[in-house]
Amino acid sequence: GQNIDQPTEMTATEGAIVQINCTYQTSGFNGLFWYQQHAGEAPTFLSYNVLDGLEEKGRFSSFLSRSKGYSYLLLKELQMKDSASYLCAVRGRNAGNMLTFGGGTRLMVKP
Amino acid sequence: KAGVTQTPRYLIKTRGQQVTLSCSPISGHRSVSWYQQTPGQGLQFLFEYFSETQRNKGNFPGRFSGRQFSNSRSEMNVSTLELGDSALYLCASSLSGTAEETQYFGPGTRLLVL
Repeated sequence: GQNIDQPTEMTATEGAIVQINCTYQTSGFNGLFWYQQHAGEAPTFLSYNVLDGLEEKGRFSSFLSRSKGYSYLLLKELQMKDSASYLCAVRGRNAGNMLTFGGGTRLMVKP
Repeated sequence: KAGVTQTPRYLIKTRGQQVTLSCSPISGHRSVSWYQQTPGQGLQFLFEYFSETQRNKGNFPGRFSGRQFSNSRSEMNVSTLELGDSALYLCASSLSGTAEETQYFGPGTRLLVL
């Protein structure tokens, strides 16, 4: 089976940097995804990691360590519109397109 | 390119009824996955269809079923609705469902069972 843990809620200040952690235990690993979901909306894709290391995309970066079963999403220069839930999802080996999601981290950005 | 579309967007049903939800993937995408999202359980995988065949199935009872048509559009059906089936049902599509591909989500159908 698969188990994915991430903090339930986080609060940060506009303009700051925040790191959202995700730890996972899976029977086989074939990639980790981060999605952003605003209240009442669909999840939107942020990043994909399958090899160890850091992937940078503008203000957002995602890191993966497969040996530690650990990933983080780093958000820089926080903006009010970044207030949303951030979902960590893992695809297991031989799982086809099935993603197992963590419970999501609700991020609140304050002025 | 148009995104993933789902109909209807909102639905109210009563216990014991059945419901059919529809999903149209992004043009050219052949893999369609369905997820259920609830406050308590988060996002949970229901099933995936590719080329009109169910390729993966999550841990849901047989009351949940689906199908995919030759144009890649997909439907999911829930029979004998229970209160606990109230949720946001999300559909996601990708080109062929291989490991590196990103899944793109539709806006969801919010189902309320009374």
